[in-house]
Amino acid sequence: EAGVTQFPSHSVIEKGQTVTLRCDPISGHDNLYWYRRVMGKEIKFLLHFVKESKQDESGMPNNRFLAERTGGTYSTLKVQPAELEDSGVYFCASSQDELWATEAFFGQGTRLTVV
Amino acid sequence: QKEVEQNSGPLSVPEGAIASLNCTYSDRGSQSFFWYRQYSGKSPELIMSIYSNGDKEDGRFTAQLNKASQYVSLLIRDSQPSDSATYLCAVNGGDSSYKLIFGSGTRLLVRP
Repeated sequence: EAGVTQFPSHSVIEKGQTVTLRCDPISGHDNLYWYRRVMGKEIKFLLHFVKESKQDESGMPNNRFLAERTGGTYSTLKVQPAELEDSGVYFCASSQDELWATEAFFGQGTRLTVV
Repeated sequence: QKEVEQNSGPLSVPEGAIASLNCTYSDRGSQSFFWYRQYSGKSPELIMSIYSNGDKEDGRFTAQLNKASQYVSLLIRDSQPSDSATYLCAVNGGDSSYKLIFGSGTRLLVRP
C-alpha cells in the first residue's frame, strides 16, 4: 500500500512568487492534515480536512496560504505571494478517522526555500 | 512554557544499551500520545502510540505514560546504530482529537 506522497520534494522560489505543494494521502483516509516545520522549531499544525471539508484551519499563518482538497482526494497548499519566512518543510499526513485514538501517517515533506 | 517539551540531546548510548527518551506535556486534557522516529531528510515515522496510563511494549520499544505527572517516555532496548535518529513526541490537543502538538525532538546517537 502506498504511503502519503508529496510533490515536489524540494522547491526553491523567489520572494513574491507562487508555489503549490501537493499531497496524496493514503487511499481510504478521509482525514488529511498539513503541518510545517520552520528552521529550529517544532512541527506545527496548519490545517485539517475531513474529505473535502476544512475542519480546522486555525494553524494557517495568514491569508497568503490557501489549501484545497477537491473531491476529497489529493490536497494542494498554495503560498501566494511567498515570503522569506515561509521557508521550511511542509508535511502532509493522513489518518483513517478522527477519534481520539487516531494515528496519523506522514509524507516525506516538501522542503520550501524562499530566496 | 512549551506545550510539549523534550530534551534536544543528543542522547548518546552504546550499542546494546537501553535508550530512554522523555517528554512532558502541559495540557491535562490530552488523551493520545505518540512517538515518531525521523531520520534526517525523511518523514516522521509512527513507531508507538499510547492512550492509557502504564506501559505498552512493541518489540524493542516500550512507551510509558503517566497522566498524573503529564509524562511520556520511550525506552529502546538493545539499541542499534540504525536507531540513531530524532525521536519526536506528539500529543493530541486536549480540546481537539485530531491536532497533534509536537515536541522539538530528541536526537539519539547509538555508538557501535
